[in-house]
Amino acid sequence: AQSVTQPDIHITVSEGASLELRCNYSYGATPYLFWYVQSPGQGLQLLLKYFSGDTLVQGIKGFEAEFKRSQSSFNLRKPSVHWSDAAEYFCAVGEGGAGSYQLTFGKGTKLSVIP
Amino acid sequence: NAGVTQTPKFQVLKTGQSMTLQCAQDMNHEYMSWYRQDPGMGLRLIHYSVGAGITDQGEVPNGYNVSRSTTEDFPLRLLSAAPSQTSVYFCASSTNGRGQPQHFGDGTRLSIL
Repeated sequence: AQSVTQPDIHITVSEGASLELRCNYSYGATPYLFWYVQSPGQGLQLLLKYFSGDTLVQGIKGFEAEFKRSQSSFNLRKPSVHWSDAAEYFCAVGEGGAGSYQLTFGKGTKLSVIP
Repeated sequence: NAGVTQTPKFQVLKTGQSMTLQCAQDMNHEYMSWYRQDPGMGLRLIHYSVGAGITDQGEVPNGYNVSRSTTEDFPLRLLSAAPSQTSVYFCASSTNGRGQPQHFGDGTRLSIL
């Protein structure tokens, strides 16, 4: 069965600093990987996704993620964090075909930003 | 553009009561799903559907019922609410196919006393 691990429950960074959120997955085949962001009281918004091809994926809001098969990782990065980036971030892996597709989410990393 | 609409946004129930959480999408998506979100647990899949008339169980289906009579609607039923079902519930939809990003509603916060 697929699984996703986000090792950091809570990260605090200063505004303007760089950010890296870690995600490790367990999946037998080539994974479909996603990062979502959730602001307080809101649903989840897709930041970026990886299916195949270039292992460095660009997303919205200045985020990027790099797929590393050898490390089973899909870490999210941003060069300069803004106060509005404070939110909870979820990594997810997709499994199955068209008739049984499911997403498995990590437990999330809460990001706090210090002004 | 409404996207995925969930009602109600908040609800308090007593143990043993029944309730239906509503979910509707206007994007003609085949795939719809229900998740529950609990602190420190991430999102866990309850039930999902790949089209009208087709539903299947996810990771935590016990205590919940679903049906899919139309493409647009995917209600989630709690037949006899229990305190363990206190959670935030999210509905999501997407086109079918592996790797399609899911669009989420804003959630229903449910408390069971």
